[in-house]
Amino acid sequence: KAGVTQTPRYLIKTRGQQVTLSCSPISGHRSVSWYQQTPGQGLQFLFEYFSETQRNKGNFPGRFSGRQFSNSRSEMNVSTLELGDSALYLCASSLVFPGTVDSPLHFGNGTRLTVT
Amino acid sequence: GDSVTQMEGPVTLSEEAFLTINCTYTATGYPSLFWYVQYPGEGLQLLLKATKADDKGSNKGFEATYRKETTSFHLEKGSVQVSDSAVYFCALSAGDKIIFGKGTRLHILP
Repeated sequence: KAGVTQTPRYLIKTRGQQVTLSCSPISGHRSVSWYQQTPGQGLQFLFEYFSETQRNKGNFPGRFSGRQFSNSRSEMNVSTLELGDSALYLCASSLVFPGTVDSPLHFGNGTRLTVT
Repeated sequence: GDSVTQMEGPVTLSEEAFLTINCTYTATGYPSLFWYVQYPGEGLQLLLKATKADDKGSNKGFEATYRKETTSFHLEKGSVQVSDSAVYFCALSAGDKIIFGKGTRLHILP
């Protein structure tokens, strides 16, 4: 079974631009979560989607948005990029509820975003 | 609210040393507890889990016991290898959310 696929692996953007990251979950998984990972803040939850609906949201500004398609694939978008947005963005999928014993999280290898 | 606190790193050990990474949690109710591991250049992967008090999760020589009385879930391994060098995350699952600790970086010297 194919794992969680994130594209692209690396991105370099300049301040003020916008970026779209893509995530393909494991087949059959309906929940997709997004995380931002930085050395200073660790792993921070962005949002979670289930059946095309945002079910949970972290404490990030409105510049960060996402969506999920009917095939469970998900995208996240960051507009008006700032230097502080440089991070590893991780996508994780699960069967139903993220991170439960019966539905553990499966992570992709992430997209490394650098904002200059 | 619910939270997870784990020891700060980096932790540096020699090969074959004994490893303990401390993790304590705060939660209402009865959460499930997890350890995830992140190898260089990769995403996180589930290492082990425990669902109730006194449960012991184990995998790849790592163990952790769900201690309700001390609200802890410390990760242990009897003899570490260079290949265990990674970042380890303690996490709890409560309801429909999972909460991660900040991660502990482990370096194993040959």
